[in-house]
Amino acid sequence: NAGVTQTPKFQVLKTGQSMTLQCAQDMNHEYMSWYRQDPGMGLRLIHYSVGAGITDQGEVPNGYNVSRSTTEDFPLRLLSAAPSQTSVYFCASSRTGGNTEAFFGQGTRLTVV
Amino acid sequence: GENVEQHPSTLSVQEGDSAVIKCTYSDSASNYFPWYKQELGKRPQLIIDIRSNVGEKKDQRIAVTLNKTAKHFSLHITETQPEDSAVYFCAASRVTNNDMRFGAGTRLTVKP
Repeated sequence: NAGVTQTPKFQVLKTGQSMTLQCAQDMNHEYMSWYRQDPGMGLRLIHYSVGAGITDQGEVPNGYNVSRSTTEDFPLRLLSAAPSQTSVYFCASSRTGGNTEAFFGQGTRLTVV
Repeated sequence: GENVEQHPSTLSVQEGDSAVIKCTYSDSASNYFPWYKQELGKRPQLIIDIRSNVGEKKDQRIAVTLNKTAKHFSLHITETQPEDSAVYFCAASRVTNNDMRFGAGTRLTVKP
């Protein structure tokens, strides 16, 4: 049972480049989410999904897109990377909504230069 | 939206002492309050959670208390050990809203 798997673990981008962070879960969880973690700011919600075909914005959605075509996968796309998007990104899933235990992936450390 | 404030940002205790971390929240409709522990370079993991229909929950050396009137909740760790050293995050959300908000985190250091 792998839980929540994120790839890649590390990534360096140049300003203006685009990329997709991958997230997959094998627990048949309905709810998936993306957070970014910055020093002194905790975990901030970027986007979330309550099921396949349904996504919604969180606290800091600008500059990011998501889609949920299957229950298992929830990729995060950076459209045009900016230095302000340098952060550690965590994908998480939970059985139902955001009011149940969240299981996190191992994180992606992204640096935009 | 919900706003969660967490104090202190850093906490250093001697092994065997107790540690207390406090959080306040703004949305009176919030009813789920989890605590996550994040060891250095690792992912956050749930250590305990509480729902608004109870005032206190305990799991071995860890306890969480909730005061809905004052809109604050606290994490209590007794008999601290060096392996308790980590960053702890509180969070709050409500059943009708899937937007879970986290506090900024508390870095706990337990000195042997």
